Amino acid sequence: AQKITQTQPGMFVQEKEAVTLDCTYDTSDPSYGLFWYKQPSSGEMIFLIYQGSYDQQNATEGRYSLNFQKARKSANLVISASQLGDSAMYFCAMREEGGSEKLVFGKGTKLTVNP
Amino acid sequence: KAGVTQTPRYLIKTRGQQVTLSCSPISGHRSVSWYQQTPGQGLQFLFEYFSETQRNKGNFPGRFSGRQFSNSRSEMNVSTLELGDSALYLCASSLLHKEGKNIQYFGAGTRLSVL
Repeated sequence: AQKITQTQPGMFVQEKEAVTLDCTYDTSDPSYGLFWYKQPSSGEMIFLIYQGSYDQQNATEGRYSLNFQKARKSANLVISASQLGDSAMYFCAMREEGGSEKLVFGKGTKLTVNP
Repeated sequence: KAGVTQTPRYLIKTRGQQVTLSCSPISGHRSVSWYQQTPGQGLQFLFEYFSETQRNKGNFPGRFSGRQFSNSRSEMNVSTLELGDSALYLCASSLLHKEGKNIQYFGAGTRLSVL
């Protein structure tokens, strides 16, 4: 069964610094996708970045990058140059590429950016 | 392009009542998925629809049902509401790519309170 583990319930970072949010996953499927979403207090889930299991390079999207270590089954999100607006819940999710769109989510990490 | 639209944003119901939530996907997206988010259980997959057919269903009782219309709009219904059904219900849509990189984009959610 798929499982996503986010071990950091809360993280604090100073504005303009970089922060890494941890995510490990478990699956027996060789083909899968990994996602990170941001959820501000308003509730909407905002897509940040995607990494496919067969992608050779780590994904990057602006200030977001994904540190994908397949052998360790980890997919950590790195946010560079943190901004106050980055304060939110961050969720790691996985989809097994078996035809369903079902996402399995971790418990999330609450990031607080301090001025 | 308009995002995923969920209506209503907030609902208050009493135990035993039923409720219907609506989701309009991004134009051109034919896959719609529903998730329930609670503080205790986190984000859990409810069901997924594609071309008016339910493709996958999560581990929820039969009181939870859904459907998708020919224009890809989707509704979910919860009958005989229980206090534990209080949650944020999120809808997501995706454009299915043959290459497999399908991104789910979420709406702002419907916050249901059962009294």
